[in-house]
Amino acid sequence: EVQLVQSGAEVKKPGATVKISCKVSGYTFTDYYMHWVQQAPGKGLEWMGLVDPEDGETIYAEKFQGRVTITADTSTDTAYMELSSLRSEDTAVYYCAMGVTSFSFDYWGQGTLVTVSS
Amino acid sequence: QTVVTQEPSFSVSPGGTVTLTCGLSSGSVSTSYYPSWYQQTPGQAPRTLIYSTNTRSSGVPDRFSGSILGNKAALTITGAQADDESDYYCVLYMGSNWVFGGGTKLTVL
Repeated sequence: EVQLVQSGAEVKKPGATVKISCKVSGYTFTDYYMHWVQQAPGKGLEWMGLVDPEDGETIYAEKFQGRVTITADTSTDTAYMELSSLRSEDTAVYYCAMGVTSFSFDYWGQGTLVTVSS
Repeated sequence: QTVVTQEPSFSVSPGGTVTLTCGLSSGSVSTSYYPSWYQQTPGQAPRTLIYSTNTRSSGVPDRFSGSILGNKAALTITGAQADDESDYYCVLYMGSNWVFGGGTKLTVL
């Protein structure tokens, strides 16, 4: 059974950095892209970027370029999403999502709430 | 920047059929955008319904179907049930970039 298990909720101050993990099981980690998706309270879903765990290559959405870093640790089958220079608008639930079919998001983590507040 | 458009809200009667659409602010949606559809209920992670235009994800009942209708991608729910009341999101692949629509809130009443 494919599982994506994310780290727990975080509370950060403005200007800080948060790093969320997504540990996978039930499939070969290096076979498929891992995406990250943001959902602000009461808002829709927004794609942030992806990592190809096989070679570490990344693609970032323009909105997050320069502030987001997505990595993959193949020794622990864990993907990470780091978001820096946090502001109140970054308060959101962040999901990791694995794409078996290359162009879609087929399995999702449970989500991690990040609250940015002074 | 191209915006992916969805109806903000839709209503369907139990047992009825509803078609939600996913368009572009400029241009037409084709299979080359590999449209996919996701269902989300409050407090839950999204669930994948359809990928690559019309392929149902594992375990998704066949009353959910995807297609291209005119210049948009479409999600049709046939025989709507109470637990279909959710938010529905489409995503389009735009060449190394994935763009979500704003979502449609479906009410079943």
